[in-house]
Amino acid sequence: GEDVEQSLFLSVREGDSSVINCTYTDSSSTYLYWYKQEPGAGLQLLTYIFSNMDMKQDQRLTVLLNKKDKHLSLRIADTQTGDSAIYFCAERVTGGGNKLTFGTGTQLKVEL
Amino acid sequence: GAVVSQHPSRVICKSGTSVKIECRSLDFQATTMFWYRQFPKQSLMLMATSNEGSKATYEQGVEKDKFLINHASLTLSTLTVTSAHPEDSSFYICSARARLNLGTYEQYFGPGTRLTVT
Repeated sequence: GEDVEQSLFLSVREGDSSVINCTYTDSSSTYLYWYKQEPGAGLQLLTYIFSNMDMKQDQRLTVLLNKKDKHLSLRIADTQTGDSAIYFCAERVTGGGNKLTFGTGTQLKVEL
Repeated sequence: GAVVSQHPSRVICKSGTSVKIECRSLDFQATTMFWYRQFPKQSLMLMATSNEGSKATYEQGVEKDKFLINHASLTLSTLTVTSAHPEDSSFYICSARARLNLGTYEQYFGPGTRLTVT
């Protein structure tokens, strides 16, 4: 079955790195995504990783995937106040209409 | 980049009335659109998947007679909440699937519509 979990809240100081974690249960996932949602807004795709990759870096964002442990993480380097938002991981599984299953969301608060 | 718009962004209606929300893909054709519902401080819940020109596929527990979905063209899908009640108050987000090069697909999200039923 599909179950994607995240910790609810993370607080960091401006300039530090943030690491947001996600665990999933469906081993047939093909792509895993990270989305950002600012208050009252829709979802913005930040980055994604294909399931046969271990790591992907895109500017300040680094995604790590441990497929054995079904663990995904998003590292934001040099976190800024504008990074404060809710971050959702999501998985796309083979079959099932290629639907996205979203995690519970992690609220990131960046303090000065 | 691919842009998905929703209209209205915010709507307040009286209990018992119907509300229509539009979702448009502005610069690409979307054969498939998705409708999600998000409760405060919660994740997105997929309500239904609609393919252009055919009936929507609803997720388990979603009343298709209450949430009417029409996907009449490759750039427009509508969600109509019929006989709205206060428990239907929520944030509704649509998403459109775009076909990229090399036959892959990507999903883009609209900005959401805040529905409040009084």
